[in-house]
Amino acid sequence: DTGVSQDPRHKITKRGQNVTFRCDPISEHNRLYWYRQTLGQGPEFLTYFQNEAQLEKSRLLSDRFSAERPKGSFSTLEIQRTEQGDSAMYLCASSPGPLGNSPLHFGNGTRLTVT
Amino acid sequence: GENVEQHPSTLSVQEGDSAVIKCTYSDSASNYFPWYKQELGKGPQLIIDIRSNVGEKKDQRIAVTLNKTAKHFSLHITETQPEDSAVYFCAAPDGYNDMRFGAGTRLTVKP
Repeated sequence: DTGVSQDPRHKITKRGQNVTFRCDPISEHNRLYWYRQTLGQGPEFLTYFQNEAQLEKSRLLSDRFSAERPKGSFSTLEIQRTEQGDSAMYLCASSPGPLGNSPLHFGNGTRLTVT
Repeated sequence: GENVEQHPSTLSVQEGDSAVIKCTYSDSASNYFPWYKQELGKGPQLIIDIRSNVGEKKDQRIAVTLNKTAKHFSLHITETQPEDSAVYFCAAPDGYNDMRFGAGTRLTVKP
């Protein structure tokens, strides 16, 4: 179990630019999640994949956000035309089963700063 | 959907004392309640969880209690140490595909 890894750890970008983050989940977990965390708050759900299928998206996920998990392994989260309000920590997590009775295993996140 | 409230938002204790963090949830169908610890610059890490078929679970200095009737659960840390200083989050599932988190408690253990 090498844990969930995310890349990059930090990203600084100018408003209007596009950014892409990568997540590698725990290999035996087929469920992958993206969360966003702002300062002083708990993580908030963005989207969920089971294998390569994106099964759920939060209303927080505007049209500028897109996520993929093309082969059911790693995932990418892209933000187009970034805005200052997108500045946050983006957390990826995986789980061995449904969240009704299984824990999330988080990576260390990508901290995005939009200037 | 599920709503999770957590308090206090900050907690300062002396090394060796106990710390208690409390959470309430709204969905009576929820049956699984994890607690996470988040250190600076890291993602949340699971420290203990409890399922609704038990009222208490212990793991060394950490314990969690659950009252399903009142819809609240608590984290207890005994004999606190400076390395326990972190932000702690409670959570409860919202269906099978989302976990709702409390707003967090910043625990400071003073040596």
